[in-house]
Amino acid sequence: DVQMTQSPSSLSASVGDRVTITCQASQDINVFLNWYQQKPGEAPKVLIYDASNLQTGVPSRFSGSGSGTDFTFTISSLRPEDSGTYYCLQYDNLPYTFGQGTKLEIK
Amino acid sequence: QVRLEQSGAEVKKPGASVKLSCKASGYSFSGNYLHWVRQVPGLGLEWMGWMNPDGGATAYAQNFQGRLTMTRDTSISTAYMELTSLTSDDTAMYYCARVGLRPDGYGYVVFDYWGQGTLVTVSS
Repeated sequence: DVQMTQSPSSLSASVGDRVTITCQASQDINVFLNWYQQKPGEAPKVLIYDASNLQTGVPSRFSGSGSGTDFTFTISSLRPEDSGTYYCLQYDNLPYTFGQGTKLEIK
Repeated sequence: QVRLEQSGAEVKKPGASVKLSCKASGYSFSGNYLHWVRQVPGLGLEWMGWMNPDGGATAYAQNFQGRLTMTRDTSISTAYMELTSLTSDDTAMYYCARVGLRPDGYGYVVFDYWGQGTLVTVSS
């Protein structure tokens, strides 16, 4: 199985801050990685697909980059509504595997 | 609009089975793979498997081999997930999620739509 190491596991940042989350795959997964946001009591929502493509309707302050084994997710200017837990997902190989999640708190 | 409507919460005893449903609307049911993902309360996400509604082919995570069955009824655009020999470790929220087409039409977006989730509680 492909192991996805996501960091940090939690972070606290202020409105307007730039926030970065990383995911490292245990083997080359090309660009087959998505980023999801999950709020309490809700299903996850896709923000970035194929490592760097912004899903329709998602604000442009969210972005993703990377390929191979190292991936980065960035929120360029944090807003209060961005609190939640963020997950990466690799879908290059079965079984699909998620990162452990990053809980983002707004100070 | 695309919607995945899941069945209601279940409470089961250890050793029992559970069968959840996921009713699709707003798109052609047979045209998109459906996956199941579960989340133990307060923890992360775990992929369980996928089903191709067009023909019924499936693939399951090794962790669930022998206990998991995904089926569908195309006449009512509904997918089912049955998990047997339940233990307390199976207490979780279960989601169905769709693989959709990229906006540019070249490729797919994995899990572009999700159901609202079904909570399964396994307790004696």
